[in-house]
Amino acid sequence: DAGITQSPRHKVTETGTPVTLRCHQTENHRYMYWYRQDPGHGLRLIHYSYGVKDTDKGEVSDGYSVSRSKTEDFLLTLESATSSQTSVYFCATARDRGNTGELFFGEGSRLTVL
Amino acid sequence: DAKTTQPNSMESNEEEPVHLPCNHSTISGTDYIHWYRQLPSQGPEYVIHGLTSNVNNRMASLAIAEDRKSSTLILHRATLRDAAVYYCIRGRRGSNYKLTFGKGTLLTVNP
Repeated sequence: DAGITQSPRHKVTETGTPVTLRCHQTENHRYMYWYRQDPGHGLRLIHYSYGVKDTDKGEVSDGYSVSRSKTEDFLLTLESATSSQTSVYFCATARDRGNTGELFFGEGSRLTVL
Repeated sequence: DAKTTQPNSMESNEEEPVHLPCNHSTISGTDYIHWYRQLPSQGPEYVIHGLTSNVNNRMASLAIAEDRKSSTLILHRATLRDAAVYYCIRGRRGSNYKLTFGKGTLLTVNP
């Protein structure tokens, strides 16, 4: 178990409100990722981090921002939530293992935007 | 884009072997093949990965074709707990371990 905690696990909010999802890890892994999962789309990468204060965009980053001020925490923010952002969000981490690394996933955060 | 092709779904019987295929015809020489699975209502979990040689671990075996354009995940004796979506993913070297998940194969295991 990689010690990944996502919070909140469930959230219902209204369109236009800001939302922050938190991912906390206890493994001191360098890399962290935010994915969203929607029916028919599989998992899609939103943003990722390759170190403290080092982040980059994934394939579906519009409408999302991230921050990583310390190794253990990676925050995903929806500045103004829209119904299209209703999804299950998964955080993942990876340690630095050279050419390849195993991803460890959290249990997911289900967000509903009304 | 690191695309792979998998069947949408497969069915197996409990205690029988399962062979899950994956095509990755545009794979480059340094791309790894990763397999993850996602049980219902859970996050994905790592199964196995390999580069050129066949690989075995406690969960499964990975058979990689000699030309590396395809691979097969082998579950030696399927159990009901193996019912999940299985993802075959190309891992690009130097990509900060970013993995692009497709839709995967939904494996149903019949008792």
